[in-house]
Parts: sequence; C-alpha cells; structure tokens
Amino acid sequence: EPEVTQTPSHQVTQMGQEVILRCVPISNHLYFYWYRQILGQKVEFLVSFYNNEISEKSEIFDDQFSVERPDGSNFTLKIRSTKLEDSAMYFCASGARGDPRGETQYFGPGTRLLVL
Amino acid sequence: KQEVTQIPAALSVPEGENLVLNCSFTDSAIYNLQWFRQDPGKGLTSLLLIQSSQREQTSGRLNASLDKSSGRSTLYIAASQPGDSATYLCAVLNAGNMLTFGGGTRLMVKP
Repeated sequence: EPEVTQTPSHQVTQMGQEVILRCVPISNHLYFYWYRQILGQKVEFLVSFYNNEISEKSEIFDDQFSVERPDGSNFTLKIRSTKLEDSAMYFCASGARGDPRGETQYFGPGTRLLVL
Repeated sequence: KQEVTQIPAALSVPEGENLVLNCSFTDSAIYNLQWFRQDPGKGLTSLLLIQSSQREQTSGRLNASLDKSSGRSTLYIAASQPGDSATYLCAVLNAGNMLTFGGGTRLMVKP
C-alpha cells in the first residue's frame, strides 16, 4: 500500500542553523501538508499546499518557514534559523485525488527535530 | 477558533472490555471528523473518517459516531485487545482544509 515517507527520521541542529525536512507524498495525491507536535502537546497544523502554492497557513508558519515542491515527488519544509522552540516532531501528510473535504489525510512517520 | 477536546486523557482497561472514547468540538461547521491512532514515537494512522452528513462509520471492531449539531463524536472499541494500546486522536476538518486535533486519549489494554 502506498505511504508517505519522510527523511531524516531524526535531526539534531544548533540554534540559528537552517534545516530542511523532506517528504515524499503518495504519488497521485494533490494536497500536501505539514503539521508539528511538540512533546506532550497537540498536533498542530502548519501549512497546506496545492497546485504549487500555499493554500492555507497557521500563525505558527511565519517568515522563518517555507515549503517547496522542487520536483514531481518531493515536498520540503525549510526552517531558516531554528529556535529552541522549534524542537518537535514534524509530520508530512498528503491527501485527495479529488475533493479534500471527502478524503482522509495520510501521515508520514515524522521527523523528530531537536534544536540545541 | 475551533477547539477539540478528548476525554478521558488516559484509560486503562482489562483485555476484552468494550470501551468508549469521547471527542467534542466547539465549531460545528466541519467537513469531516477523523479518528487516528498514534503509537509511541510514530506517525498517525487513519482509523475512520466520518463525513459531516454521516452519523457513523464502522471498521472491524471500531465504530465511530458523529453528532455534528452537539459537537460530539465517540469512538467505540469492542472486545479490546493488548494490541489496541496506543493514543487515539480525534481531528476535525474545517474550512481551509486544515485538521484541528484533540489532545488524545492514551489507552492501555492489560492482558
């Protein structure tokens, strides 16, 4: 069964460094998402992406964050200058060959980011 | 702003028991409601999706109901097994195509 994959599974970085988290969504999906979960807290929406542009973003997704679909298969989240509070599990999700309101979002296994 | 709450936060039951997990949401203008399972340190696995026009969905030993007008959903697990031990997350899809998650119910099923 097709699945969403994410790399790396773990990343440790120094505060102020740039990180890029990578995702390969399910191949025929049209909508792509990033969520994060700080340890012990709820899963939070960051951004949704459709037709090569951001369709929605939360207040968490400030100028330090960006997303890109550089080719037909990868979807990336970049954090330009990491802060301690960016430490979290980052989940990529994809969904919808048609109307996203009718279909589930499929989540990847996550990248655990630790900022020191 | 949509808020999703799940109770109880944790639940421990002996194997074989039937159990109910609860989810409530503050804004009834949802497109769908989804239940996910999360194992420690792992991703989210979709269990059931209920469209806003539906009342319930079933998959094996799982049954989820939705009362949109009152902002409530329940997940019923029949004949629980130790392998059901995990955190169960409820999430609603709002305008903007974003999922809003509850805090989860951590379930432990003891052999």
